Amino acid sequence: DTEVTQTPKHLVMGMTNKKSLKCEQHMGHRAMYWYKQKAKKPPELMFVYSYEKLSINESVPSRFSPECPNSSLLNLHLHALQPEDSALYLCASSPTGGETGYTFGSGTRLTVV
Amino acid sequence: AQSVSQHNHHVILSEAASLELGCNYSYGGTVNLFWYVQYPGQHLQLLLKYFSGDPLVKGIKGFEAEFIKSKFSFNLRKPSVQWSDTAEYFCAAPPNDYKLSFGAGTTVTVRA
Repeated sequence: DTEVTQTPKHLVMGMTNKKSLKCEQHMGHRAMYWYKQKAKKPPELMFVYSYEKLSINESVPSRFSPECPNSSLLNLHLHALQPEDSALYLCASSPTGGETGYTFGSGTRLTVV
Repeated sequence: AQSVSQHNHHVILSEAASLELGCNYSYGGTVNLFWYVQYPGQHLQLLLKYFSGDPLVKGIKGFEAEFIKSKFSFNLRKPSVQWSDTAEYFCAAPPNDYKLSFGAGTTVTVRA
């Protein structure tokens, strides 16, 4: 299995809703990432988990809450989002520090209404 | 820390034309470089990567890139493009504490 699987593929949520994005990989990678991508822009790093511990938070607003239940799973909990948070949310993984490159999931396209 | 810059923002060309996309990197010790492609509505895919050794790197889908240390460049090339090569292309620098630094991206439009 050489994939990073993200669910759901599309999500529409209201500003008062609570939802979660899920990411799963079975490649034995020990680093997992959340990126946010706006149209025609490069991905922007949000969070990094290394060996199931949060190692980087790129000053992301608290309405985004990551969770790493185990080495294969990564969640992103969403609460009280704003319309400007609408974007493609990408999960990625790498064996360790990513020197060999990341494997990206297909993303969740989020629309906040 | 490594960083990269891409100077071509939008490239339009016809099928069978040759493609070259520029990427320059800043010096920061060990040089590892990547090219990713994102087809419309799809996820990022790794095209090729350079760590060391042969400066001419072959990737998937007929792409190649040449690492030129004296020019701090890692340009992506394809001799003959197809309509299906229409995509966004990102050059990326190696992780610094896990951070992968992306260039601004180049939109490539191939006309049939």
